[in-house]
Amino acid sequence: KAGVTQTPRYLIKTRGQQVTLSCSPISGHRSVSWYQQTPGQGLQFLFEYFSETQRNKGNFPGRFSGRQFSNSRSEMNVSTLELGDSALYLCASSFVGWETQYFGPGTRLLVL
Amino acid sequence: DQQVKQNSPSLSVQEGRISILNCDYTNSMFDYFLWYKKYPAEGPTFLISISSIKDKNEDGRFTVFLNKSAKHLSLHIVPSQPGDSAVYFCAASGGGGSNYKLTFGKGTLLTVNP
Repeated sequence: KAGVTQTPRYLIKTRGQQVTLSCSPISGHRSVSWYQQTPGQGLQFLFEYFSETQRNKGNFPGRFSGRQFSNSRSEMNVSTLELGDSALYLCASSFVGWETQYFGPGTRLLVL
Repeated sequence: DQQVKQNSPSLSVQEGRISILNCDYTNSMFDYFLWYKKYPAEGPTFLISISSIKDKNEDGRFTVFLNKSAKHLSLHIVPSQPGDSAVYFCAASGGGGSNYKLTFGKGTLLTVNP
């Protein structure tokens, strides 16, 4: 069974731009979560989607948004990029959300 | 506030010996706990989990112990191998209901020396 895939793997943007990251969950998984990893803050929860609905949201500004499609694929969007948004963005999937989550390889975003 | 804490940023052990990684939590609503292993530039890889109704779970060389009264869990790796060298994250969730997120500790870098 294929794992969680994320595209692109690497991205370089400049301040003020926006970016969209994509995540395809493991087949059969309906819950997709997004996390941000930075050296100082560790892994922090952004939001979680299940059946195209956002069920839970972390403490991030409104510039961070997401959506989920009917095939459970998910996208995350960050608008008006700031230098501090440089991070590894990780997507994880699970069957219903609260149990074991399986992570993708991440998208490394660098904001210049 | 940090609800999941891994107080040791790093740990170094000899190949063949036991590695013990520790994790403390403060939120009594957590009822499902996981350990992940992470290599640089990769996503975390799930290792082992434990539900709050158990106090021990074993999978091969990996054993997780949960002490609910102390709000403490630990991961034992026996015997340790050089390939185990990675950052280990402890994570917790509120289980069923409305909590659909993992709260992570900041990780412990394990180095297993040949």
